[in-house]
Amino acid sequence: DAEITQSPRHKITETGRQVTLACHQTWNHNNMFWYRQDLGHGLRLIHYSYGVQDTNKGEVSDGYSVSRSNTEDLPLTLESAASSQTSVYFCASSVGLAGPSSSYEQYFGPGTRLTVT
Amino acid sequence: AQSVTQLGSHVSVSEGALVLLRCNYSSSVPPYLFWYVQYPNQGLQLLLKYTSAATLVKGINGFEAEFKKSETSFHLTKPSAHMSDAAEYFCAVIHNTDKLIFGTGTRLQVFP
Repeated sequence: DAEITQSPRHKITETGRQVTLACHQTWNHNNMFWYRQDLGHGLRLIHYSYGVQDTNKGEVSDGYSVSRSNTEDLPLTLESAASSQTSVYFCASSVGLAGPSSSYEQYFGPGTRLTVT
Repeated sequence: AQSVTQLGSHVSVSEGALVLLRCNYSSSVPPYLFWYVQYPNQGLQLLLKYTSAATLVKGINGFEAEFKKSETSFHLTKPSAHMSDAAEYFCAVIHNTDKLIFGTGTRLQVFP
């Protein structure tokens, strides 16, 4: 079955370190998204990609970067981790405009809990 | 710009009682609306979606939602709550074709 996976599931790191969170999907979806989930804020979009070599900033992109070298993967990098980046991170994917209109549905990974000390 | 507001960050019901989770949207164009559920320590799972077809949308696990344009609402209901419905529920609206804007979530507690 197609799926979307994230690794690691839990990560503890120190302030100032570079951290990369992996996201891998086997849906063959064009679109991929990274969100962070914080109490009282719901999910907020960090970065997104509409296809290979395409990346775009979301509403909370400062301190984060992504790259899309293939369809399956969209790794999220924290350039210099800060305590404010302690959060739960979710990756999601969707078919994109190439599919039927109902393809706006996004499929979510299980999440990565990141703690920055 | 599109946005959603979920009224009530916590809702508590007794097992067997009606579940009503409220969502109001703001959109300058006909919206596509979604309800997602998140069980503890898991990702989000789609419950149901409105994509401009029938205004009453049925989803998984006995949930349904009604799109009311005059009230700009998309409330989620279930006639009889089950203990397994305890989770966090998110309403979302499509923004700029492919991005989702989420509400802040409503945590549903179900008491025996």
